[in-house]
Amino acid sequence: QVQLQESGPGLVKPSETLSLTCTVSGGSISSYYWSWIRQPAGKGLEWIGRIYSSGSTNHNPSLKSRVTMSVDTSKNQFSLNLSSVTAADTAVYYCARRSSSGWYFDYWGQGTLVTVSS
Amino acid sequence: EIVLTQSPGTLSLSPGERATLSCRASQSVSSSYLAWYQQKPGQAPRLLIYGASSRATGIPDRFSGSGSGTDFTLTISRLEPEDFAVYYCQQYGSSPYTFGQGTKLETK
Repeated sequence: QVQLQESGPGLVKPSETLSLTCTVSGGSISSYYWSWIRQPAGKGLEWIGRIYSSGSTNHNPSLKSRVTMSVDTSKNQFSLNLSSVTAADTAVYYCARRSSSGWYFDYWGQGTLVTVSS
Repeated sequence: EIVLTQSPGTLSLSPGERATLSCRASQSVSSSYLAWYQQKPGQAPRLLIYGASSRATGIPDRFSGSGSGTDFTLTISRLEPEDFAVYYCQQYGSSPYTFGQGTKLETK
């Protein structure tokens, strides 16, 4: 059974960079696409971006160029960096796996709350 | 970007009743690339339906999805106590992949 676990600081200061890592267990990170999705408190879900195990990436244009993602196949991990954060970036951040048959998400991490505040 | 609008915002029903949730897209969703998720408080979303009408692994057959183009429906035939949650639709026909704002299914 594939499991995903997010990790990273729960508090980030405005204008700094939010950094999260997702560790995949119970399966290989190779040959799959992986995504980050976030959810502000009491609100809906927003797709942030995706990365393939080869390292190719694509992100939601709404986040402009603040998003960078990377993958470390030796550790079965992938990461998210979101720069120049503001209070609007406060949310629960999920990592998730793209299904093998389409861009819907079949496995999710439990989520980690990141608060942007000084 | 495709905007998904879910209705109603909140649906109040009793166990044993039938629930019908709607998801309308601002433009046609190609190849019926629409999914539904269930989310309970403090938990990650759980995949229920993909391809508009295919149930994910382990999902009970009381959950069914239908629709095409811009109008999609999630139906729960007979509500069980564990079905009361928030439901989200998601389109994956074009990037960026987008979600609806959710329908909260609450106990009447």
